[in-house]
Amino acid sequence: QKEVEQNSGPLSVPEGAIASLNCTYSDRGSQSFFWYRQYSGKSPELIMSIYSNGDKEDGRFTAQLNKASQYVSLLIRDSQPSDSATYLCAVNLSGGSYIPTFGRGTSLIVHP
Amino acid sequence: DVKVTQSSRYLVKRTGEKVFLECVQDMDHENMFWYRQDPGLGLRLIYFSYDVKMKEKGDIPEGYSVSREKKERFSLILESASTNQTSMYLCASTLGETQYFGPGTRLLVL
Repeated sequence: QKEVEQNSGPLSVPEGAIASLNCTYSDRGSQSFFWYRQYSGKSPELIMSIYSNGDKEDGRFTAQLNKASQYVSLLIRDSQPSDSATYLCAVNLSGGSYIPTFGRGTSLIVHP
Repeated sequence: DVKVTQSSRYLVKRTGEKVFLECVQDMDHENMFWYRQDPGLGLRLIYFSYDVKMKEKGDIPEGYSVSREKKERFSLILESASTNQTSMYLCASTLGETQYFGPGTRLLVL
C-alpha cells in the first residue's frame, strides 16, 4: 500500500517568514514528486515538481527531495497572506501509467 | 491554456436518484481521473481512464461507474445516490505527469 504522509496542520507563520511543509512517502520506487496548492473552495493547482535529489527553486518556492530518507519538502520564502492554502504532496511510481498518490494536505496560514 | 470543465459547480439530489457528473477537457489528453475530496480524508481516486472506452477502478469505486465514449469527455455516474456520497467531486486530466483539475462539483445528497 503506497502511502504519502503530511502533517495536517494548520501551520501558522507570520508574513515574511519561511514556511516549511514536509511530506514522507512509503514506496522506495517513487520517482516523481509534486506539490499542489489548493485554496479553500477551489481545485488543486500544480506549483512545483521535482524528480532528482536536491533542491529545485522557482521564485519564492523551493522543493527539496531526499530519496534515501523518503521525504520531500516545500519551502516558501517571504510568505504572504495570499499563500494561505492547503498544500498537497503527490508521489508517482516510475514506469507504466501515471497514477499519483496524494497526501491529505497541510493547511498553511500566513498571518499579517 | 489548459482547460478542464465540469458540468455543475453545485448539485443537490435525493437519495436513490441516478446522478451524472460530466467532465470535459480540451487538450486531447488520454488520461482522465475522478476523485472525491472529503475533510480529513484528502483526495481519493474513484476511477480513471487511459483511453476511450477504457476504465480502471481506483481506491473507492463502490457505488460509482464511469463512461468514456469520447476522448475529451469522462462521466461519473452514481447509480443510486446515497447520503454518504455527499462530497466534492474533482475531475482531472494529465499532460505528462501533471494533473490538471476541473473546478469541482459539490454534491449534496439529501
